[in-house]
Amino acid sequence: DQQVKQNSPSLSVQEGRISILNCDYTNSMFDYFLWYKKYPAEGPTFLISISSIKDKNEDGRFTVFLNKSAKHLSLHIVPSQPGDSAVYFCAATYSGSARQLTFGSGTQLTVLP
Amino acid sequence: DADVTQTPRNRITKTGKRIMLECSQTKGHDRMYWYRQDPGLGLRLIYYSFDVKDINKGEISDGYSVSRQAQAKFSLSLESAIPNQTALYFCATSDDNRAGSYNEQFFGPGTRLTVL
Repeated sequence: DQQVKQNSPSLSVQEGRISILNCDYTNSMFDYFLWYKKYPAEGPTFLISISSIKDKNEDGRFTVFLNKSAKHLSLHIVPSQPGDSAVYFCAATYSGSARQLTFGSGTQLTVLP
Repeated sequence: DADVTQTPRNRITKTGKRIMLECSQTKGHDRMYWYRQDPGLGLRLIYYSFDVKDINKGEISDGYSVSRQAQAKFSLSLESAIPNQTALYFCATSDDNRAGSYNEQFFGPGTRLTVL
């Protein structure tokens, strides 16, 4: 039973437009959420995170929104650039889990020039 | 130089063989992790270690063992490899988490393991 779900395996967006990647979770104990980006032949790299006490966190072109009542978070990339093309993983954790990360299955983002 | 390194980067082996994947880090982190990635399943935790004397099973530890030789080294062993252990394996490290905070994990480049 996947506790963190990314239902869109892939997403294509034109350069300069907004990319919206979605993630849903089922475990209400999760209190911290992260997004990782992964290029081919490389390990995932941390992108942005959000605590459950917030509903938005922004870092440059990247913004993460958290809707706790819907158990949903999203990553917005504005404007999208070709270099953003990668697999994006959503991950979640809570203090009672020894801070283990539970990952979603990932979304392949392709930004078209 | 990379902060988290993994060797080998690629390995093809046969069913029943013993395989060791190695991970080294220069970040000075106490916590180290082993994950596997399968298509459509994301990353799943195999084992983790919070210091040299602390080893814990993750979600999918069956068929695997680990050794924390030093703060900087954490190795993953497959005692008798089987085809469904064919996957991409990642090592990760993190700093200790203070109460109320979370420190992100830093990943190595991965090892692609194929078991025939």
